[in-house]
Amino acid sequence: DTEVTQTPKHLVMGMTNKKSLKCEQHMGHRAMYWYKQKAKKPPELMFVYSYEKLSINESVPSRFSPECPNSSLLNLHLHALQPEDSALYLCASSQGRAPVRNEQFFGPGTRLTVL
Amino acid sequence: EDQVTQSPEALRLQEGESSSLNCSYTVSGLRGLFWYRQDPGKGPEFLFTLYSAGEEKEKERLKATLTKKESFLHITAPKPEDSATYLCAVQLRVPGTASKLTFGTGTRLQVTL
Repeated sequence: DTEVTQTPKHLVMGMTNKKSLKCEQHMGHRAMYWYKQKAKKPPELMFVYSYEKLSINESVPSRFSPECPNSSLLNLHLHALQPEDSALYLCASSQGRAPVRNEQFFGPGTRLTVL
Repeated sequence: EDQVTQSPEALRLQEGESSSLNCSYTVSGLRGLFWYRQDPGKGPEFLFTLYSAGEEKEKERLKATLTKKESFLHITAPKPEDSATYLCAVQLRVPGTASKLTFGTGTRLQVTL
Protein backbone atom coordinates (compact mmCIF):
# COMPACT_ATOMS: atom_id res chain seq x y z
CA ASP A 1 0.00 0.00 0.00
CA THR A 2 1.53 3.31 -1.11
CA GLU A 3 -1.30 5.58 -0.04
CA VAL A 4 -1.01 8.99 1.51
CA THR A 5 -4.33 10.58 2.41
CA GLN A 6 -5.06 14.28 2.81
CA THR A 7 -8.06 16.14 4.18
CA PRO A 8 -9.88 18.22 3.25
CA LYS A 9 -9.79 17.99 -0.55
CA HIS A 10 -10.85 21.60 -0.92
CA LEU A 11 -10.68 24.51 1.53
CA VAL A 12 -11.85 28.08 1.17
CA MET A 13 -10.86 30.47 3.94
CA GLY A 14 -10.78 34.15 4.70
CA MET A 15 -7.62 35.99 5.62
CA THR A 16 -8.60 36.10 9.30
CA ASN A 17 -9.51 32.42 9.60
CA LYS A 18 -7.55 29.64 11.27
CA LYS A 19 -7.68 26.24 9.59
CA SER A 20 -5.64 23.05 9.45
CA LEU A 21 -4.66 20.60 6.75
CA LYS A 22 -4.22 16.96 7.67
CA CYS A 23 -2.07 14.22 6.17
CA GLU A 24 -1.88 10.55 7.11
CA GLN A 25 0.16 7.55 5.98
CA HIS A 26 0.27 3.97 7.20
CA MET A 27 3.32 2.74 5.31
CA GLY A 28 5.64 2.96 8.29
CA HIS A 29 7.48 5.86 6.70
CA ARG A 30 9.56 8.03 9.03
CA ALA A 31 9.95 11.12 6.86
CA MET A 32 7.03 13.39 5.92
CA TYR A 33 6.90 16.51 3.79
CA TRP A 34 4.72 19.52 2.96
CA TYR A 35 4.86 21.05 -0.51
CA LYS A 36 3.10 24.00 -2.11
CA GLN A 37 2.28 23.90 -5.81
CA LYS A 38 1.04 26.79 -7.92
CA ALA A 39 -0.59 26.24 -11.31
CA LYS A 40 1.82 24.99 -14.02
CA LYS A 41 4.74 25.02 -11.58
CA PRO A 42 6.54 22.12 -9.91
CA PRO A 43 6.00 21.33 -6.22
CA GLU A 44 7.94 23.63 -3.89
CA LEU A 45 9.22 22.17 -0.63
CA MET A 46 8.02 23.83 2.58
CA PHE A 47 8.83 21.54 5.51
CA VAL A 48 10.45 18.17 6.19
CA TYR A 49 9.93 16.03 9.28
CA SER A 50 12.33 13.18 9.96
CA TYR A 51 11.45 10.81 12.80
CA GLU A 52 8.81 13.28 13.99
CA LYS A 53 11.27 16.14 14.29
CA LEU A 54 11.34 19.17 12.03
CA SER A 55 14.53 18.86 9.98
CA ILE A 56 13.98 21.37 7.16
CA ASN A 57 12.04 24.65 7.06
CA GLU A 58 12.48 26.31 3.70
CA SER A 59 12.09 29.83 5.13
CA VAL A 60 8.32 29.52 5.14
CA PRO A 61 6.36 32.45 6.65
CA SER A 62 5.17 31.90 10.21
CA ARG A 63 1.53 31.98 9.14
CA PHE A 64 2.18 28.34 8.17
CA SER A 65 2.83 26.14 11.20
CA PRO A 66 3.61 22.43 10.78
CA GLU A 67 3.02 19.77 13.39
CA CYS A 68 3.88 16.06 13.48
CA PRO A 69 1.89 14.46 16.35
CA ASN A 70 3.17 10.95 15.56
CA SER A 71 4.94 9.03 12.82
CA SER A 72 1.73 8.60 10.79
CA LEU A 73 0.26 12.08 10.99
CA LEU A 74 1.29 15.47 9.70
CA ASN A 75 -0.66 18.69 10.10
CA LEU A 76 -0.28 22.13 8.61
CA HIS A 77 -1.89 24.91 10.64
CA LEU A 78 -2.89 28.00 8.72
CA HIS A 79 -3.48 31.47 10.15
CA ALA A 80 -3.82 34.92 8.63
CA LEU A 81 -3.09 33.73 5.11
CA GLN A 82 -2.87 35.96 2.08
CA PRO A 83 -4.61 35.46 -1.29
CA GLU A 84 -1.24 34.61 -2.85
CA ASP A 85 -1.11 31.55 -0.57
CA SER A 86 -3.87 29.99 -2.65
CA ALA A 87 -2.39 26.81 -4.14
CA LEU A 88 -2.44 23.02 -4.09
CA TYR A 89 -0.85 21.81 -0.85
CA LEU A 90 0.75 18.40 -1.13
CA CYS A 91 1.87 16.02 1.55
CA ALA A 92 4.42 13.28 0.88
CA SER A 93 6.18 10.57 2.83
CA SER A 94 9.27 8.44 2.39
CA GLN A 95 10.91 5.59 4.25
CA GLY A 96 13.57 7.87 5.68
CA ARG A 97 16.50 5.61 4.89
CA ALA A 98 18.54 7.98 2.76
CA PRO A 99 20.05 7.71 0.29
CA VAL A 100 18.45 4.55 -1.08
CA ARG A 101 14.79 3.49 -1.05
CA ASN A 102 13.81 7.04 -0.28
CA GLU A 103 11.16 7.61 -2.91
CA GLN A 104 8.58 10.16 -1.86
CA PHE A 105 4.93 9.17 -2.24
CA PHE A 106 2.47 12.02 -2.57
CA GLY A 107 -1.07 12.46 -1.40
CA PRO A 108 -3.84 13.85 -3.63
CA GLY A 109 -3.44 17.36 -2.23
CA THR A 110 -5.67 20.01 -0.69
CA ARG A 111 -6.81 22.78 -2.99
CA LEU A 112 -6.68 25.94 -0.85
CA THR A 113 -8.35 29.20 -1.82
CA VAL A 114 -7.78 32.30 0.32
CA LEU A 115 -10.31 35.06 -0.15
CA GLU B 1 23.85 25.75 -7.92
CA ASP B 2 21.80 22.59 -8.37
CA GLN B 3 19.61 22.77 -11.47
CA VAL B 4 17.15 20.46 -13.18
CA THR B 5 15.90 21.27 -16.67
CA GLN B 6 13.21 19.41 -18.56
CA SER B 7 12.49 19.54 -22.28
CA PRO B 8 10.35 19.97 -24.17
CA GLU B 9 8.01 22.10 -22.08
CA ALA B 10 5.04 20.63 -23.94
CA LEU B 11 4.67 17.74 -26.34
CA ARG B 12 1.75 16.67 -28.45
CA LEU B 13 1.78 13.15 -29.89
CA GLN B 14 -0.63 11.07 -31.86
CA GLU B 15 -1.60 7.73 -30.41
CA GLY B 16 1.13 5.22 -31.23
CA GLU B 17 3.77 7.89 -31.94
CA SER B 18 6.75 7.10 -29.71
CA SER B 19 8.95 9.86 -28.27
CA SER B 20 11.30 10.79 -25.43
CA LEU B 21 11.26 13.37 -22.69
CA ASN B 22 14.53 14.80 -21.43
CA CYS B 23 15.69 15.75 -17.94
CA SER B 24 19.16 17.26 -17.65
CA TYR B 25 20.69 18.05 -14.29
CA THR B 26 23.62 19.82 -12.72
CA VAL B 27 23.96 18.75 -9.10
CA SER B 28 26.84 18.19 -6.74
CA GLY B 29 26.53 14.54 -5.90
CA LEU B 30 23.42 12.91 -7.36
CA ARG B 31 21.70 10.70 -4.82
CA GLY B 32 18.87 9.51 -7.02
CA LEU B 33 16.71 10.75 -9.86
CA PHE B 34 12.95 10.28 -9.73
CA TRP B 35 10.24 10.41 -12.37
CA TYR B 36 6.66 11.29 -11.48
CA ARG B 37 3.45 11.62 -13.44
CA GLN B 38 0.95 14.29 -12.43
CA ASP B 39 -2.63 14.66 -13.61
CA PRO B 40 -4.28 18.11 -13.32
CA GLY B 41 -5.29 18.95 -9.76
CA LYS B 42 -3.84 15.74 -8.33
CA GLY B 43 -0.67 14.77 -6.49
CA PRO B 44 2.36 13.43 -8.37
CA GLU B 45 2.35 9.68 -8.89
CA PHE B 46 5.69 7.93 -8.43
CA LEU B 47 7.00 6.15 -11.54
CA PHE B 48 10.72 5.35 -11.28
CA THR B 49 13.90 5.84 -9.28
CA LEU B 50 17.33 5.71 -10.94
CA TYR B 51 20.50 5.77 -8.89
CA SER B 52 23.45 5.24 -11.20
CA ALA B 53 24.49 5.95 -14.79
CA GLY B 54 23.49 3.16 -17.13
CA GLU B 55 20.50 2.14 -15.05
CA GLU B 56 17.18 1.53 -16.81
CA LYS B 57 13.65 0.93 -15.47
CA GLU B 58 10.50 -0.05 -17.37
CA LYS B 59 6.80 0.05 -16.65
CA GLU B 60 4.25 -0.70 -19.34
CA ARG B 61 4.86 1.83 -22.15
CA LEU B 62 7.42 3.84 -20.16
CA LYS B 63 11.17 3.33 -19.92
CA ALA B 64 13.51 5.55 -17.94
CA THR B 65 17.26 5.74 -18.50
CA LEU B 66 20.05 7.62 -16.76
CA THR B 67 23.43 8.99 -17.81
CA LYS B 68 25.86 11.14 -15.83
CA LYS B 69 24.20 14.33 -17.04
CA GLU B 70 20.65 13.50 -18.03
CA SER B 71 17.74 11.12 -17.90
CA PHE B 72 15.27 10.18 -20.59
CA LEU B 73 11.71 8.98 -20.27
CA HIS B 74 10.88 7.00 -23.40
CA ILE B 75 7.21 6.54 -24.22
CA THR B 76 6.50 3.73 -26.64
CA ALA B 77 3.22 3.68 -28.60
CA PRO B 78 1.48 6.13 -26.24
CA LYS B 79 -2.25 6.12 -25.59
CA PRO B 80 -4.51 9.08 -24.71
CA GLU B 81 -4.49 7.98 -21.06
CA ASP B 82 -0.74 8.72 -20.96
CA SER B 83 -1.58 12.42 -21.23
CA ALA B 84 -0.23 14.14 -18.11
CA THR B 85 2.62 16.29 -16.85
CA TYR B 86 5.81 14.30 -16.30
CA LEU B 87 8.12 15.62 -13.61
CA CYS B 88 11.68 14.62 -12.90
CA ALA B 89 13.37 15.36 -9.60
CA VAL B 90 16.86 14.88 -8.23
CA GLN B 91 17.49 13.86 -4.66
CA LEU B 92 19.93 16.07 -2.79
CA ARG B 93 22.00 15.24 0.24
CA VAL B 94 20.50 16.66 3.45
CA PRO B 95 21.23 16.08 7.16
CA GLY B 96 19.45 13.11 8.65
CA THR B 97 17.53 10.46 6.77
CA ALA B 98 14.96 12.49 4.90
CA SER B 99 15.35 13.31 1.23
CA LYS B 100 15.17 16.70 -0.47
CA LEU B 101 14.01 16.82 -4.06
CA THR B 102 14.66 19.50 -6.62
CA PHE B 103 12.03 19.28 -9.35
CA GLY B 104 12.25 20.20 -13.00
CA THR B 105 9.46 22.32 -14.45
CA GLY B 106 7.87 19.34 -16.13
CA THR B 107 6.82 18.26 -19.61
CA ARG B 108 3.10 18.49 -20.42
CA LEU B 109 2.29 15.55 -22.67
CA GLN B 110 -0.89 15.36 -24.71
CA VAL B 111 -1.66 12.20 -26.69
CA THR B 112 -4.44 12.48 -29.25
CA LEU B 113 -6.36 9.85 -31.20
